[in-house]
Amino acid sequence: DIQMTQSPSSLSASVGDRVTITCQASQDISNYLNWYQQKPGKAPKLLIYDASNLETGVPSRFSGSRSGTDFTFTISSLQPEDIATYYCQQYDNLPQTFGQGTKLEIK
Amino acid sequence: QVQLVQSGAEVKKPGASVKVSCEASGYTFTTYAMYWVRQAPGQRLEWMGWINPGNGDTKYSQKFQGRVTIARDTSASTAYMELSSLRSEDTAVYYCAREEGAYWGQGTLVTVSS
Repeated sequence: DIQMTQSPSSLSASVGDRVTITCQASQDISNYLNWYQQKPGKAPKLLIYDASNLETGVPSRFSGSRSGTDFTFTISSLQPEDIATYYCQQYDNLPQTFGQGTKLEIK
Repeated sequence: QVQLVQSGAEVKKPGASVKVSCEASGYTFTTYAMYWVRQAPGQRLEWMGWINPGNGDTKYSQKFQGRVTIARDTSASTAYMELSSLRSEDTAVYYCAREEGAYWGQGTLVTVSS
């Protein structure tokens, strides 16, 4: 199985801050990576697909990029409603696998 | 609009089986694969398997092979996930999701307790 190593596991930032989360795949997955936002008691919400494409209706402050097997998710200006846990997911190989999540809190 | 509606919460005893349903609406059910993911308390999301509703082909994670069965009823636009030989570690919220990840069910809490 492909391992997805996500960091950090938790992050505290202020409103307006730039926030970055990374995910490293254990092997090449091309661009087959999603980023999700999950709020307590809710299903994950797709934000970014194919590593860098913004899902329809998702604010443009969210973005994603890839460098080899390293993937980066960025919130350009943190908003209070962005408080959630964020996950990466690879869908290059089955079983699809997820990162361990990053819990984002407001400082 | 696309919706995936799952069946309600379940409480099961160890060794029992559970079957969770996922009814799709707002699109042609046979056009997109459906996968199942679970999330144990405080844990990461875990992919269990998926089904091609068009032809019924399935693929399971090796972790659940032999214990999980995913099926579909095209006449009801519904996918099913059955997990057998339940143990306490199977206590989790189970989700169905459409293959591209943009649409998810609301989740079904399965509690395994004696």
